[in-house]
Amino acid sequence: DTEVTQTPKHLVMGMTNKKSLKCEQHMGHRAMYWYKQKAKKPPELMFVYSYEKLSINESVPSRFSPECPNSSLLNLHLHALQPEDSALYLCASSQVRGGAKNIQYFGAGTRLSVL
Amino acid sequence: LAKTTQPISMDSYEGQEVNITCSHNNIATNDYITWYQQFPSQGPRFIIQGYKTKVTNEVASLFIPADRKSSTLSLPRVSLSDTAVYYCLVGEGYSTLTFGKGTMLLVSP
Repeated sequence: DTEVTQTPKHLVMGMTNKKSLKCEQHMGHRAMYWYKQKAKKPPELMFVYSYEKLSINESVPSRFSPECPNSSLLNLHLHALQPEDSALYLCASSQVRGGAKNIQYFGAGTRLSVL
Repeated sequence: LAKTTQPISMDSYEGQEVNITCSHNNIATNDYITWYQQFPSQGPRFIIQGYKTKVTNEVASLFIPADRKSSTLSLPRVSLSDTAVYYCLVGEGYSTLTFGKGTMLLVSP
């Protein structure tokens, strides 16, 4: 099973709302990632978790708050977002963050629209 | 982190072989070369990975010359369903993986 499951698939929220994106994998991977992808652009790395600890934060605004409750789950809490935050949010996992062959497995993404 | 350069777009017809080349002049000794495929509104999907010479799997081949400053993804006999964006990534596990602009492949009947 090489599946990474993301919920919800679509999300519409106002600028004052609080919502969360969820990501789950059962491959035993110990590294998990959040990416943001705007239309016709490549994915941009936001956060990296390694063994449930935040190891990389690519200078993401504090209105995005990641959480890794256990080795299988990754959340992205959203609060006071701006319309320009509308994008496809992708979750990925890999066996470990280190190691030469860092193959990432991606979920289908959550399409977020901020009104 | 090695920077990659790929063609922005390529066109092909069904049944043809497609070769997409990626340049990575400052590749480091420990770096691997990894290709992903992405369909609209889906996450990228791993296609193939290599370090040197040639790697082949059930969907593609990857050719890497001795100097490793470039690599070529080869898709044999493409179909309409191969229309997608293809990304070449170069790095090793202890660095973050940064996606370049990718190559938009359009396969026509």
